[in-house]
Amino acid sequence: SYELTQPPAVSVSPGQTARITCSGDGLAKLYTYWYQQRPGQAPVTVIYKDKERPPGIPERFSGSTSGKRATLTITGVQTEDEADYFCQSSDTADSHRGWVFGGGTYLTVL
Amino acid sequence: EVQLVESGGGLVQPGGSLKLSCAASGFAFSGSAVNWVRRAPGKGLEWVGHIRSKTNNYATLYGESAKRRFTISRDDSKNTAYLQMNSLRIEDTAVYYCMSAATAWGRGTLVTVSS
Repeated sequence: SYELTQPPAVSVSPGQTARITCSGDGLAKLYTYWYQQRPGQAPVTVIYKDKERPPGIPERFSGSTSGKRATLTITGVQTEDEADYFCQSSDTADSHRGWVFGGGTYLTVL
Repeated sequence: EVQLVESGGGLVQPGGSLKLSCAASGFAFSGSAVNWVRRAPGKGLEWVGHIRSKTNNYATLYGESAKRRFTISRDDSKNTAYLQMNSLRIEDTAVYYCMSAATAWGRGTLVTVSS
């Protein structure tokens, strides 16, 4: 089954651009989803199907993919964006697929 | 408004059982898959399993840690999904979330397995 790899931590200053990567063999053909989880809160979907943004998610959040790598970009980071970010995809390319998560990246806004 | 509300968590001894519920509202629940995800203390998100819609024959699939111990079901007449957990282990201690409607998450329910 596929696995996903994320850097454990990313740090940026307010107003800068944060890029969080997610790598995995399956990403070349399967969708990537991104979830934000602030301490003590439930996850929130910030990007689905590689680059789509759910209603209510700020435009500063964007997603992209290239080959086996997906990237979550936060343009103009705000202090409220400090959180864990998890990528997720399918664990196989079979017709009935389970999920796999990356290990998570903690975004620190300095 | 799309809403998912988990319930049924609590303290249970190792080897015990617990049944979680996920009550949905604000969307076409019967046509949506439901995923269960957990987060243990100090760990990342872990997929527990899912149940698909009637159109997809209510097919279920489980993550490795849930196989042979956990069972996911649903009652579309009640807009509710369930996670039956048996033979619970200390390492099953986590906040359990349900996820549906493609992007919506519940607030989670805490399961603590301890003697």
